[in-house]
Amino acid sequence: EDKVVQSPLSLVVHEGDTVTLNCSYEVTNFRSLLWYKQEKKAPTFLFMLTSSGIEKKSGRLSSILDKKELFSILNITATQTGDSAIYLCAGGGSEKLVFGKGTKLTVNP
Amino acid sequence: DTAVSQTPKYLVTQMGNDKSIKCEQNLGHDTMYWYKQDSKKFLKIMFSYNNKELIINETVPNRFSPKSPDKAHLNLHINSLELGDSAVYFCASSQEGERTTYEQYFGPGTRLTVT
Repeated sequence: EDKVVQSPLSLVVHEGDTVTLNCSYEVTNFRSLLWYKQEKKAPTFLFMLTSSGIEKKSGRLSSILDKKELFSILNITATQTGDSAIYLCAGGGSEKLVFGKGTKLTVNP
Repeated sequence: DTAVSQTPKYLVTQMGNDKSIKCEQNLGHDTMYWYKQDSKKFLKIMFSYNNKELIINETVPNRFSPKSPDKAHLNLHINSLELGDSAVYFCASSQEGERTTYEQYFGPGTRLTVT
């Protein structure tokens, strides 16, 4: 059965810290790895990764995929309180996305 | 100019009732989805439709019936509601071509509470 495992499940840091969120996947007919940020409402799209070794970057956030080892990481540098959210990783395979349980990030002032 | 919209945002109802949630997307996408997010924030797919055709039907009770009148709309009807149906239901859409990538965009969610 397809599965996506995220770690850690929760993380508490101080503003300015750098964090790394992990995602490992086992997805049949894998095509893409997606990261979403969920605050109070709907998950909002951050990145989609399809190729190994190519970093995607958006401001202080970056992500990379390793298709050989079947994992991805999401880095957030110089964290801010507004980064507090649940970060969801999802693997796209045969017809659907399989989501991990998320990492709850809390950034304290 | 909301991309994916859902109504209602909140729904409180009693066990045994029948209720519907509506979803509309104005992104021109051809694939729409329903997800259920439980109290532990685990997001799980329920259904997906591509151009009004059912593609995915996960292990969901028959009391849940999706309907897609056109590719911009996907509604979810739930019969005989049970306490365990309480959750947040998200609609999502994506444009899937020859090389599916699953870049999905989510609606704001409908918080269903069954009492």
